[in-house]
Amino acid sequence: SQELEQSPQSLIVQEGKNLTINCTSSKTLYGLYWYKQKYGEGLIFLMMLQKGGEEKSHEKITAKLDEKKQQSSLHITASQPSHAGIYLCGADPPDSNYKLTFGKGTLLTVNP
Amino acid sequence: DGGITQSPKYLFRKEGQNVTLSCEQNLNHDAMYWYRQDPGQGLRLIYYSQIVNDFQKGDIAEGYSVSREKKESFPLTVTSAQKNPTAFYLCASMDPEKLFFGSGTQLSVL
Repeated sequence: SQELEQSPQSLIVQEGKNLTINCTSSKTLYGLYWYKQKYGEGLIFLMMLQKGGEEKSHEKITAKLDEKKQQSSLHITASQPSHAGIYLCGADPPDSNYKLTFGKGTLLTVNP
Repeated sequence: DGGITQSPKYLFRKEGQNVTLSCEQNLNHDAMYWYRQDPGQGLRLIYYSQIVNDFQKGDIAEGYSVSREKKESFPLTVTSAQKNPTAFYLCASMDPEKLFFGSGTQLSVL
């Protein structure tokens, strides 16, 4: 089965700083999803990456999938308190019938 | 507005009791999923359904049951056989590109 490892497990940054969260897969990624979760709430979709080398941005968040399609990074520029939460990556293995596998998440705290 | 509604937000279970978590969607999605979230462990798949009247076990189905009698509804029953039910439960449905999640139900044991 496909396993996703996220790093770091938690991160505390000062407002205005840049940060990066990584997601590494044990197998080739065919669909990589990034979600954000506020404590005690549902997951909000951020971005999906499929092609090697692909990069997508939304506001101050940029996600990349490496050429080998085994690692993805999520980069936040000029972090704000509103960016705080848990970031999870999810993978959609081939022939999985959309049974997404998720990493354990990265807890981001942004101090004002 | 289209979306996924989970209820209740908080639920308490007594010893030996079965409880049912509700999940309703008006997105016209065929596929629906139940995940369990424990602190520091990410999401684990309990059951999923790709079409009405059909469902499959996920990675941690023991102690749980589901039904899919209508496209819009995918209730999850936590049975007395589930010895460690305290967790945050998330329901989701899938369009061709991504999962949409409900706001979750926190289940605790009295």
